[in-house]
Parts: sequence; structure tokens; C-alpha cells
Amino acid sequence: DAKTTQPTSMDCAEGRAANLPCNHSTISGNEYVYWYRQIHSQGPQYIIHGLKNNETNEMASLIITEDRKSSTLILPHATLRDTAVYYCIVRAGFIRGSNSGYALNFGKGTSLLVTP
Amino acid sequence: DTGVSQDPRHKITKRGQNVTFRCDPISEHNRLYWYRQTLGQGPEFLTYFQNEAQLEKSRLLSDRFSAERPKGSFSTLEIQRTEQGDSAMYLCASSRAGGGESYEQYFGPGTRLTVT
Repeated sequence: DAKTTQPTSMDCAEGRAANLPCNHSTISGNEYVYWYRQIHSQGPQYIIHGLKNNETNEMASLIITEDRKSSTLILPHATLRDTAVYYCIVRAGFIRGSNSGYALNFGKGTSLLVTP
Repeated sequence: DTGVSQDPRHKITKRGQNVTFRCDPISEHNRLYWYRQTLGQGPEFLTYFQNEAQLEKSRLLSDRFSAERPKGSFSTLEIQRTEQGDSAMYLCASSRAGGGESYEQYFGPGTRLTVT
């Protein structure tokens, strides 16, 4: 799987948009971009994923650049409960004939602090 | 949707003892994953099952570790002759499986192991 680079930490004021960048310049054509987050002492939580189109769900938006070398996770109106470590993960999609379960390679992520 | 559950949530054991953790995945998910997370690091993949078959193991899974999923439902992770370096959070995740799609993983709350 391609390697990702994220800032170690970021701050965001409550009610503002949080924009979390991720660089994945070696991503290949069949690799998806996934975002998970982990609130202190809990298991990771799936947020969103995409291949090449921008995606939006009830939690966040994912913007992927046209060359797919980077992406941004957007939390449109951050709350204190969004304080967490956010992981950007690149992972292959289905590979016919492979037994790979597509384990997630989390890295260290970005520690987001939302302040009042 | 009852989510992924893990038992126990906390375990304190003395070095050299054996411990066993249990994971109950989301009922319709046929893939189950184990990860380990040490302080300040992201989760690291240990092993994965599709139904009852263990299809992938990482190098982190030493011969003191064994995982089973006997009926393709719940799974157990056993650590024999525990060492202080085994102290970590052990996370279980589950996902659907099917051709042509890369499905998100849903995580349990984890079991925190402390080896004294």
C-alpha cells in the first residue's frame, strides 16, 4: 500500500471547518483513500473513503485532487467531540485471486484539537 | 446493529501467564481482524479471518500468539507466556466481504492488557 504523510497535529476553533490534509504521492490506480478517527481510549471509527471522486456523508467530506496525490478531509462544523487522532490510509481495492484482507496501515495520524 | 464487542475491556496479568481475549463481530460480517496498539502509535495489523479460515498473519504475530475463529462467528486471541512488551490495546474489527468492493472495517472498543 502507498505511504501517507499527515501533519502531526492541528488546532481548530469550535464551529469552524477543520481541513485535514494528507499526502499520498505514490498512490496507484486501484488504491482507495480511507479516513478513520480515534477518540481517546476508544476503537477507531470509520469516517469516509473514496477512489477518485469527491465524497460526502453525514460526518465529513473528502476532497481528492485530480492527480490523486493528495486529499483533504473536511469536518464542516467542528465540535469539541471531534477532538481525536485522524488517520489517512491508502489501501488497495479488490484483487482477484488474493487472500489479502486488506489490513489497514494506520501510521501515526493527525491529532486534531478542537477548542472552544 | 449491535456493533463489535470485545471482552474483557481490561486485563492485568503477571509476566509468564496466559491470557485470552474474545471478539464478537457484527453478525453479518464474515471478515474479522485483530490489531494491536501501543501507546502513542496507530493500530498495527496482527491477523485476519474470512469466515473460519485464518488467511493472513503479520510478522508481529509471534509463536506465543494464536487466534481462532472456530465457527466463523466470534474469535479468540490467546497470548501464552506473556511478556511486558505485550502490554497494549488489542483491537478487533469486522467487515463484509465480496467481490469488487473494498469494505470499511468497524472496530470494537478494545481490550487493554497490562503485563506486570
